[in-house]
Amino acid sequence: SQKIEQNSEALNIQEGKTATLTCNYTNYSPAYLQWYRQDPGRGPVFLLLIRENEKEKRKERLKVTFDTTLKQSLFHITASQPADSATYLCALDMYGGGSYIPTFGRGTSLIVHP
Amino acid sequence: EPEVTQTPSHQVTQMGQEVILRCVPISNHLYFYWYRQILGQKVEFLVSFYNNEISEKSEIFDDQFSVERPDGSNFTLKIRSTKLEDSAMYFCASSEALLAGTYNEQFFGPGTRLTVL
Repeated sequence: SQKIEQNSEALNIQEGKTATLTCNYTNYSPAYLQWYRQDPGRGPVFLLLIRENEKEKRKERLKVTFDTTLKQSLFHITASQPADSATYLCALDMYGGGSYIPTFGRGTSLIVHP
Repeated sequence: EPEVTQTPSHQVTQMGQEVILRCVPISNHLYFYWYRQILGQKVEFLVSFYNNEISEKSEIFDDQFSVERPDGSNFTLKIRSTKLEDSAMYFCASSEALLAGTYNEQFFGPGTRLTVL
């Protein structure tokens, strides 16, 4: 089955710097790869989706890259702010025949220091 | 802005009891989902539901679980005989139904924390 690896150690960075989070997977490439934000005690909030035939996607201060050869996605937050502090989840979508089933990673905690 | 709502926010129950977790998906959405997240663990897919029937389900979604859309707005998850290991945060999500085989962004609710004693 698909295994997703996200760095379990928290990423601490200074405000204004670029945060880069990594998501690696082990088996076949998904149709879609998504990034979510999750705050403590809350549900995941969708941020960005990238398709298997796309290399890069941007949205405001966010950028996602997808390398199917390396089986890796990188998630960047530029000009980071303390409000960006949260856990960021990577999710791979596999088509189950009826709908897409996301498999989530455990997430990486980002802490942005003022 | 429309959002997915869930009730209750916290449910405490005794082992062996039945619980029903409730969700109100976004009104024009047609796909509904349940996920669970055990404390400190990853979000895990349980089941998806479309057109009044289960579309996909995971290995976790065994015979003790069932889902229902009892009316035009609610979507429920029933756990028939709760076990200690069912303690988790349960998230409902919904998405629009677009073309078959395309991706539909999922919107998650705030979750119900289930504690089984």
